[in-house]
Amino acid sequence: AQKITQTQPGMFVQEKEAVTLDCTYDTSDQSYGLFWYKQPSSGEMIFLIYQGSYDEQNATEGRYSLNFQKARKSANLVISASQLGDSAMYFCAMREAPNTGGFKTIFGAGTRLFVKA
Amino acid sequence: NAGVTQTPKFRILKIGQSMTLQCTQDMNHNYMYWYRQDPGMGLKLIYYSVGAGITDKGEVPNGYNVSRSTTEDFPLRLELAAPSQTSVYFCASSYSFSRAGVYEQYFGPGTRLTVT
Repeated sequence: AQKITQTQPGMFVQEKEAVTLDCTYDTSDQSYGLFWYKQPSSGEMIFLIYQGSYDEQNATEGRYSLNFQKARKSANLVISASQLGDSAMYFCAMREAPNTGGFKTIFGAGTRLFVKA
Repeated sequence: NAGVTQTPKFRILKIGQSMTLQCTQDMNHNYMYWYRQDPGMGLKLIYYSVGAGITDKGEVPNGYNVSRSTTEDFPLRLELAAPSQTSVYFCASSYSFSRAGVYEQYFGPGTRLTVT
């Protein structure tokens, strides 16, 4: 069965420093997608970044990058130059690729990030 | 383009009452989903739909029902509310294949439900 594990319930980072949020996953599928979402205190879910299982390069979106290590089944989110507005809950998620017939997405328990001024 | 809208934003139910959470998307997405998020936890899939007239159960379907009569709407029905259903409910939608190759889900703002 698919599973997502986020082992860091909470993390602190100093403003302007980089931080890595850990995510490991378990799946027997060869084709899948990995996502990170941000949930600020207002509650909405904000898509940050995506990595396909066949993508050879790590995904990057502005200050966000995804450190994808397929053999280790990890998909860590790296936020560079942290800002106060980055304080939020971050969720790692995995989805079977549609062309395999699947589309369910499962979410990890989340990591709460606190950015200190 | 409003994206995914949900109503109501907040609701308090008494045990045994019923209600329908509304979800509408205007992006012509064929996939739609309902999740619940319990305090301090991640999202769990309740039901999903791959198109009008087609729905299926997710991880935690008990106590809920759904229907999908149109592409745009995906209401979630609670028949006999229980305290265990106190949660925040998110509706989401996505393409099966997006133009960018990213199977991103677009989320609604959520409905906070309390059952007492």
